[in-house]
Amino acid sequence: DQQVKQNSPSLSVQEGRISILNCDYTNSMFDYFLWYKKYPAEGPTFLISISSIKDKNEDGRFTVFLNKSAKHLSLHIVPSQPGDSAVYFCAARSTPGGFQKLVFGTGTRLLVSP
Amino acid sequence: SAVISQKPSRDICQRGTSLTIQCQVDSQVTMMFWYRQQPGQSLTLIATANQGSEATYESGFVIDKFPISRPNLTFSTLTVSNMSPEDSSIYLCSVLTGGGYEQYFGPGTRLTVT
Repeated sequence: DQQVKQNSPSLSVQEGRISILNCDYTNSMFDYFLWYKKYPAEGPTFLISISSIKDKNEDGRFTVFLNKSAKHLSLHIVPSQPGDSAVYFCAARSTPGGFQKLVFGTGTRLLVSP
Repeated sequence: SAVISQKPSRDICQRGTSLTIQCQVDSQVTMMFWYRQQPGQSLTLIATANQGSEATYESGFVIDKFPISRPNLTFSTLTVSNMSPEDSSIYLCSVLTGGGYEQYFGPGTRLTVT
């Protein structure tokens, strides 16, 4: 049962344009969401997170939007840069009752072309 | 955030042998985790390693195959025992920080079993 889904395995965007990466989840108990970027041969790098009490969180070029009713979140990168080319993972956890493990999506490979 | 290092960064091992992967963190953390990322797949949690107690393994992972040590709050090891080609993966150490919400990853150990 894939509780966190990233339905687009890949995305190609031109430099300077907006990249939108999508993530859907099925577990209504999830209340904290994180995005990671992963280059080949490196560990995932934490990018940005959002709590379910918010619907938007922004950090520089990265903005995460959360739509709880649709169980959907998205990561916007504006403007996109060639160095953003990587695999992006969405992850989710539920925090009530103590620590719960992170559940990861399958990843979306972003390619930003000059 | 936390700075996490892993040794070795990569290794090629023969079937039937064992490899111990070390994880060092630059600050004391309560919760450390070991993940696996098989080729083309998402990240899968192997176990949670807490200092002073037995590691907690996820479904499908057992202590005999993946023994873990956690001697202090900055260090952990994962051993991959009696390796087979199916164990070829990237193994990642991870820690929980930021008040218990943000999770950071080490650079990974790329293991190839021949």
